[in-house]
Order: sequence, then structure tokens, then C-alpha cells
Amino acid sequence: GIQVEQSPPDLILQEGANSTLRCNFSDSVNNLQWFHQNPWGQLINLFYIPSGTKQNGRLSATTVATERYSLLYISSSQTTDSGVYFCAVVDPGGFKTIFGAGTRLFVKA
Amino acid sequence: DTEVTQTPKHLVMGMTNKKSLKCEQHMGHRAMYWYKQKAKKPPELMFVYSYEKLSINESVPSRFSPECPNSSLLNLHLHALQPEDSALYLCASSLPPGEQYFGPGTRLTVT
Repeated sequence: GIQVEQSPPDLILQEGANSTLRCNFSDSVNNLQWFHQNPWGQLINLFYIPSGTKQNGRLSATTVATERYSLLYISSSQTTDSGVYFCAVVDPGGFKTIFGAGTRLFVKA
Repeated sequence: DTEVTQTPKHLVMGMTNKKSLKCEQHMGHRAMYWYKQKAKKPPELMFVYSYEKLSINESVPSRFSPECPNSSLLNLHLHALQPEDSALYLCASSLPPGEQYFGPGTRLTVT
């Protein structure tokens, strides 16, 4: 099956710093999403980005499907950005969804 | 409205109990998903329904029984669970195909 690897596994930032999270996947995928999981367990949709580049405020994402990776950029980080960031892909068959292990981010005030 | 609701929020059950988790969406989505998430791990897919038919069962033990009564509703019936089944159970929906939207989850403890 498809393998999804995220890096780094853990990240500590000072408030105001920028960061880049990476998601590598081993095969062609239908969909790719980035999520932020808050401390209460809610998965918050950040980007639906099978290919190309999108921006939403301080966050942006780029997926290069032909090279099988996606990047999530966080600029001017805030303490509320803390949590776990997951990348999830869907296999070409249509529904099988595989999550990466996540990047655990802590932003210090 | 991109809301998926799940009830209950928390559930404590004994190993001999029978209980059900409920998930509802009113976005017109025709694919619905159950995931299980253990602490400090990513969500793992359990079941997928597409147009009210079971499309994927990821070799889940039979003590978990999914049901999709209509396109808006998804249930997960629980019976004779083990303590290791304690986890956060997440429901999601999508068109299909496309972006998945998740509910807040049910935190299950099996005693």
C-alpha cells in the first residue's frame, strides 16, 4: 500500500518564526489533505491540495504530485498554531485514506 | 455548512455492554467513513460507505459493526469490546470523491 512519511516528527518554534512541514508519499494519489488536530481531537481542514499551490492567511501549501511530495508553510507562527499537523492521501482506487504519522508543533510565547 | 456531528462525545462501557456511536451530516455527501485513533497515533481507516453501501472494511474485528441507514447517517455498533479498543473514534464524510470533513469524535473507554 501507499506509504506516507511526514517530517519533522517534532518541531518547537518561537512565536513569530516560520516553518515548513513536509509530506512524502510513495505512489500516485487521488487526493491530498492537510489537517491540524487541536488538543481536543478535532481535525481541522487546512488544505485540500492534490496538486498546485494554495494560500490561506499565514498558511500555504504546495503539492508536486509528479515528485510525490507536499509542503505546508506556516509563517509568523502563533501559540494557537500548536498541535499536530497531519497529511492524508487517498489511493487511486478512490476511498482508502492513509494518514502520515504527523508533525507535533509547539509554539512558545 | 461543513459540519459533521457525532454522539456521544464520551462513552464508558464494560466489556459485556452493547452501545452505538452515531454520526450525521447534512452536506449532501454520499461517502462516510469511520476512523479509530489511539493516543499519539494518526487516525486509521476502519470502514467506508459509498452511496449507503459498504465499500471498505479494513479487516476490522466483528465486534465493530457499521450501519448506514441513509445517506446522512452512519452508526457504529459496539459489542463485547476489549480494553485495547479504547480510543477516539472519528467520523468523516465527502462527496465522493474529494475533501473529507471530520466530526469532533467520540472518546471511548472500555473497562
